[in-house]
Amino acid sequence: AQSVAQPEDQVNVAEGNPLTVKCTYSVSGNPYLFWYVQYPNRGLQFLLKYITGDNLVKGSYGFEAEFNKSQTSFHLKKPSALVSDSALYFCAVRDEAAGNKLTFGGGTRVLVKP
Amino acid sequence: EAQVTQNPRYLITVTGKKLTVTCSQNMNHEYMSWYRQDPGLGLRQIYYSMNVEVTDKGDVPEGYKVSRKEKRNFPLILESPSPNQTSLYFCASSQDRGSVSNQPQHFGDGTRLSIL
Repeated sequence: AQSVAQPEDQVNVAEGNPLTVKCTYSVSGNPYLFWYVQYPNRGLQFLLKYITGDNLVKGSYGFEAEFNKSQTSFHLKKPSALVSDSALYFCAVRDEAAGNKLTFGGGTRVLVKP
Repeated sequence: EAQVTQNPRYLITVTGKKLTVTCSQNMNHEYMSWYRQDPGLGLRQIYYSMNVEVTDKGDVPEGYKVSRKEKRNFPLILESPSPNQTSLYFCASSQDRGSVSNQPQHFGDGTRLSIL
């Protein structure tokens, strides 16, 4: 069965500092990996995805993520965090061998302080 | 504007009183799905639909029903709601370009249900 782990419930970072949100996954086939962001009282918004190819994926709002197959990780990064990046972030995975089921991690709350 | 619309946004009701949460998308997407969001558990898939009249169970289908009679609509039905179904619910849709697996999903803004 596929699974996703986000080991940190919350990440605190000062504005202007680098931001990293961790994600590890487990699948039996090839993974399709996604990051979503959720702002208060809103649905999830797609940030970026890894399907195949370059391990460094660039997405919306200056975010990027690095796919590491040997460590089964897909950490989300931003070089310089903004206060407006404060939100709830979800990592998700689809196992190519498991059809269309999308499995989410538990979410990481990011708080960027001025 | 491309969007997924859920109604109602908020509902407080009592145990056993049937309710339906509607979901509609205007992007002509084949794939639609329902999730529930609970603290620390992320989003868990309830049901999904690959196309009209094609539905399948997700990870937590017990106590829920769905139907897909039209491409744009995917209602979630709670025949006899119970307090453990108090949660935040999201509907999502995505395009099916040969494989839905690598397509990002578009989410509605959520429905907060409280079952007393």
